[in-house]
Amino acid sequence: KNQVEQSPQSLIILEGKNCTLQCNYTVSPFSNLRWYKQDTGRGPVSLTIMTFSENTKSNGRYTATLDADTKQSSLHITASQLSDSASYICVVSDRGSQGNLIFGKGTKLSVKP
Amino acid sequence: NAGVTQTPKFQVLKTGQSMTLQCAQDMNHNSMYWYRQDPGMGLRLIYYSASEGTTDKGEVPNGYNVSRLNKREFSLRLESAAPSQTSVYFCASTSDGLALNIQYFGAGTRLSVL
Repeated sequence: KNQVEQSPQSLIILEGKNCTLQCNYTVSPFSNLRWYKQDTGRGPVSLTIMTFSENTKSNGRYTATLDADTKQSSLHITASQLSDSASYICVVSDRGSQGNLIFGKGTKLSVKP
Repeated sequence: NAGVTQTPKFQVLKTGQSMTLQCAQDMNHNSMYWYRQDPGMGLRLIYYSASEGTTDKGEVPNGYNVSRLNKREFSLRLESAAPSQTSVYFCASTSDGLALNIQYFGAGTRLSVL
């Protein structure tokens, strides 16, 4: 069964600190892996999209990594800010065209002053 | 730039009532999607429209119908609402499928069915 598992479920860090969120998947065949940020009460916003051949992609202070052999991805947030408080969702596509994204349950990050 | 606009933002229904959730995008995108998000679960696809004039079922289509009214608009209809349909509904769009295209989401409709 295609699954996307994220850890931890929730995380609290102090402003200015770094953190890493984990994503393991069993989706096959693999097309691409995405990370979304979802602020409370808002829709998800795309941070990165990676294909099989990419192992690192950055978007500002966000850096995603992908190990397609072990089917693991991580999202590293550098020098966290209060505005980084959100849920971060890992999403894997099992084919290249329409419709089938498998969403993780998300990691809820709280950044405290 | 409005992006993806959903209406209404909030709705309370009684069991058995019907309603239509509206979604419109102004990015000239071909593909549109409806998801539901429940506590403790990932987003699940209800229906999608790969292009104007086509619609297909997703993972959880039962109890819903959709209409791709034109290229801009994709509506979701609950014919006879049930408490199990209490959820947050998100509409999304991409330029053309999900190969490597960024998916843009609306702000969501929070629906409670009593």
